[in-house]
Parts: sequence; structure tokens; C-alpha cells
Amino acid sequence: GAVVSQHPSRVICKSGTSVKIECRSLDFQATTMFWYRQFPKQSLMLMATSNEGSKATYEQGVEKDKFLINHASLTLSTLTVTSAHPEDSSFYICSARALDRGGEQFFGPGTRLTVL
Amino acid sequence: RKEVEQDPGPFNVPEGATVAFNCTYSNSASQSFFWYRQDCRKEPKLLMSVYSSGNEDGRFTAQLNRASQYISLLIRDSKLSDSATYLCVVKSGGSYIPTFGRGTSLIVHP
Repeated sequence: GAVVSQHPSRVICKSGTSVKIECRSLDFQATTMFWYRQFPKQSLMLMATSNEGSKATYEQGVEKDKFLINHASLTLSTLTVTSAHPEDSSFYICSARALDRGGEQFFGPGTRLTVL
Repeated sequence: RKEVEQDPGPFNVPEGATVAFNCTYSNSASQSFFWYRQDCRKEPKLLMSVYSSGNEDGRFTAQLNRASQYISLLIRDSKLSDSATYLCVVKSGGSYIPTFGRGTSLIVHP
């Protein structure tokens, strides 16, 4: 399968700081990337869908000014959690859709964010 | 009603047992169905797609019942390494955005 990386894998930060998470497709071009959030014992919740070169589409209830998404190239999307608070602590997972592989989605390994 | 519903479990079974999970979906326009496996603190990984005719991959069998709007996953001869959370995933026709169930936890013990 295709490889998607995320960086960092784990981050601990103070309340009020901003955290940037990178998602890269390493061996394919991803026209679409997805950002999910997963709280303990809960399902993956889609936060937003981003297409290369255009603005992200946010799901209902997700603040676009708080969760900034940039999909500047076909292999990189970033999620910035601005002014993080303890309730933002969660497991953030990206996935990338590969058109040349039947549209299958490949997940990154996730980023565990802890806000103190 | 949630779009995709699963019994969260946990299902606690001995090695060698057969275990089955069901997943119901509410959107009758759903076209694509998948089972993913997620280990603790890891990303989900595709286990198998679910076809209308059903499909089997080794010890794993997936089936789709469109009339009742559910899919199932059967695991035979359970191994310790099968312990994980199994996520049901559904895509509606014309959409590439999947909807995830909350997952069913399986614990296989010696």
C-alpha cells in the first residue's frame, strides 16, 4: 500500500500555543486529504476535507479559524491547531486519497496532541 | 440515528473461537463498504472491502445485506493477534468521503 507520514507523532504543549501537524504522501500524489480527530473510545470524526490548491471544506461544528488547513502541494497538507486548549487534546489522523490507486484512502500514523 | 452503528463491545473470546460483528447503516444510497482494523493508538488499516456477493480472505468473511442495511464480519479460529478494534466504514454513492462507525473492540485471550 501507499505510505502516508505524519509529523510530529506526539506533541505536548501549553494552553494557548499553536501546533502544526504535517501530513505527507510519500510515494503518490494526493489530490484530496482528510483530517480526522479521534477521542478515546470514540469513532474517527472527519474534521475537514482539503483539495490541493483550494480551501478546505470543514464539517459542521469544526471551527475553520481554529483548525487551519493548508494543502499547498499534492504531497503535503498541514493542520494548525491555533490557541490550543486542553479540550483539543486528541488523536489527529490524516488520510490521503490516491486517484491512481482506485481512490483508496491511506492513513497516516496519527499525531497525539496533549494540551496542558 | 447515527449513520453507521456498531456494538462497541468488547467481545472477549478465547483463542480459536469464531466471532461475528454486525454494522448497520442508515443511508440506503450507500454504495461502498469496508472493514478497517485499528490497533490501540494506531491508525486504521484496511482489512477488507465488502462486496455484494460477500467475500472471504483467509479466516475473515465479510457479507453485505442491502435489504436490511447491514454488513457483517466473521472471524474464524481467532488468534491473539486479532485483538483490535474493528471499524465499519460506509461510503455513499458519488461521494468519496467515508463515514466511520465507532468500532467494535475484540479481545482474544489464551
